[in-house]
Amino acid sequence: EAQVTQNPRYLITVTGKKLTVTCSQNMNHEYMSWYRQDPGLGLRQIYYSMNVEVTDKGDVPEGYKVSRKEKRNFPLILESPSPNQTSLYFCASSPRAPGQGTYSNQPQHFGDGTRLSIL
Amino acid sequence: AQSVSQHNHHVILSEAASLELGCNYSYGGTVNLFWYVQYPGQHLQLLLKYFSGDPLVKGIKGFEAEFIKSKFSFNLRKPSVQWSDTAEYFCAVATSGTYKYIFGTGTRLKVLA
Repeated sequence: EAQVTQNPRYLITVTGKKLTVTCSQNMNHEYMSWYRQDPGLGLRQIYYSMNVEVTDKGDVPEGYKVSRKEKRNFPLILESPSPNQTSLYFCASSPRAPGQGTYSNQPQHFGDGTRLSIL
Repeated sequence: AQSVSQHNHHVILSEAASLELGCNYSYGGTVNLFWYVQYPGQHLQLLLKYFSGDPLVKGIKGFEAEFIKSKFSFNLRKPSVQWSDTAEYFCAVATSGTYKYIFGTGTRLKVLA
């Protein structure tokens, strides 16, 4: 079954304690991205990756890091989490980036989300 | 900067009422347009998408949307809503020049049985 898998689904942690949220897709997609969802603000893109070892900032990258060492995995790293990073996080993937030729118009597939609370 | 506006933040309708949710975007170039739905506690699912061709696109569950290029709009419609349509709806734009997706702030729809 085609899917995007995020772990953990829920996490409560404290300020400053490094954490990683994993994301894995089994569809051989090139494009992956991370979003945070906050009430009244919708989804905002944190980082995206167009392929292995190619990542770039989205609209709200401060306080986050990502890596793309393998095509299927795109972890989100919070080196020193702060309470303003309390949010619902979604990972998504699609075959290609928007405007990148064949299959670039295919929609994103989303993971089930990770609810992160930082005290 | 590119942006997507959804003017209706909360909508409450009775079953069988007609629905129209507004979506406007600001970008002068080529865009791909999407509507996603998020049922309570679930991830986003695609309702419909527009890339080119017929500006009236039909999606799942009886939803449709019309792309009006001159108005930079992509409004979502459904002739008769059901209680099961209660969800949050997001409009999204992908621009060919930036490799990014931009989402609107969402519209919470509540359908009363």
